[in-house]
Amino acid sequence: KAGVTQTPRYLIKTRGQQVTLSCSPISGHRSVSWYQQTPGQGLQFLFEYFSETQRNKGNFPGRFSGRQFSNSRSEMNVSTLELGDSALYLCASSSEGHHEKLFFGSGTQLSVL
Amino acid sequence: DAKTTQPPSMDCAEGRAANLPCNHSTISGNEYVYWYRQIHSQGPQYIIHGLKNNETNEMASLIITEDRKSSTLILPHATLRDTAVYYCIVRVGNNAGNMLTFGGGTRLMVKP
Repeated sequence: KAGVTQTPRYLIKTRGQQVTLSCSPISGHRSVSWYQQTPGQGLQFLFEYFSETQRNKGNFPGRFSGRQFSNSRSEMNVSTLELGDSALYLCASSSEGHHEKLFFGSGTQLSVL
Repeated sequence: DAKTTQPPSMDCAEGRAANLPCNHSTISGNEYVYWYRQIHSQGPQYIIHGLKNNETNEMASLIITEDRKSSTLILPHATLRDTAVYYCIVRVGNNAGNMLTFGGGTRLMVKP
């Protein structure tokens, strides 16, 4: 079974631009969650989607948004990029989301210049 | 979810057991203890989880104290590839979704 796939692996953007990151979960998994990892703040939860509906949301501004498609693939979007958005963005999937173990992708490293 | 406290770093000799402690003194009765690890430049990897009984799988053992206020992750024979940051997470075991709260974790360095 293929693991969680995130694209692109690396991304460089400039302030004010927007960016879309993609995540393909493990086949059969319906829950996809997103995390941001920075050296200063560590790993922080962004949001979770389950069957195309946002189920949980972390404490991030509205510039961060996401969606999930009917095939469970998910995208997250960050608009009006700021320097502080530079981070590793991780996607994780699980089958049901009921104290299931999460499977993480390798992440997208975003650099905002 | 309850807060966890872990030592920021630990060393372990290759081939020896690595015992990683975690304090979760405010844990509630319905909260599970989870362990994940993150090897450099990779996403976190699930290791093990438990409620109140000790658990063992192919990767590690989890020992939870009787009062559930602390736990220990044991890697029985640490290898260089076990060098990673280990996260202890406490979360509610119901259908509340997959919002994990990661703390600072313990950076385990396995030395030859």
